[in-house]
Amino acid sequence: AAGVIQSPRHLIKEKRETATLKCYPIPRHDTVYWYQQGPGQDPQFLISFYEKMQSDKGSIPDRFSAQQFSDYHSELNMSSLELGDSALYFCASSLLVIGTEAFFGQGTRLTVV
Amino acid sequence: DAKTTQPNSMESNEEEPVHLPCNHSTISGTDYIHWYRQLPSQGPEYVIHGLTSNVNNRMASLAIAEDRKSSTLILHRATLRDAAVYYCIRSFGNEKLTFGTGTRLTIIP
Repeated sequence: AAGVIQSPRHLIKEKRETATLKCYPIPRHDTVYWYQQGPGQDPQFLISFYEKMQSDKGSIPDRFSAQQFSDYHSELNMSSLELGDSALYFCASSLLVIGTEAFFGQGTRLTVV
Repeated sequence: DAKTTQPNSMESNEEEPVHLPCNHSTISGTDYIHWYRQLPSQGPEYVIHGLTSNVNNRMASLAIAEDRKSSTLILHRATLRDAAVYYCIRSFGNEKLTFGTGTRLTIIP
């Protein structure tokens, strides 16, 4: 079965550069979530989208923005990168059905040098 | 606020059952209880979820206390591949999953 696809898997950027992470949800899933997981930390919710509209927002820096496109894929844009942005970024998708499970991608490892 | 409490770590012998506890004493009547696990350098993986009744699937069983203030994830026969951080999450409706600290499960060969 198709899973959540994230690209790229690894990304190295310098400080103050920009990065774009992409997420392709499971077909027919209408909701996408983005999480950030720093070294030794638990996943922290950043933002979510339902039917291309932002549905919830967590502790996402103003330097970050995201959107969901008409084909339901989502992109997380990160500007003015800082060393502290180095982390694993996970995308998850689900159907907007009460109590349903979410499926996570393998993540993008971002390293800011 | 993860709203659940789990032990930081547990150990279990290979091929033995594992019972992972979770306390969610402030749970509301409409909150689901979800369990996810995360292997090193991988994305979280869905394990099981339930509302009131005990649940079974191919991966595990979920035993929910009658008052719903606690639950237990049961791995019937642990293997080395079950070594992971296990997260117990309570979630209302379709709200996002909020990860707490989780339980780091070590399987002893």
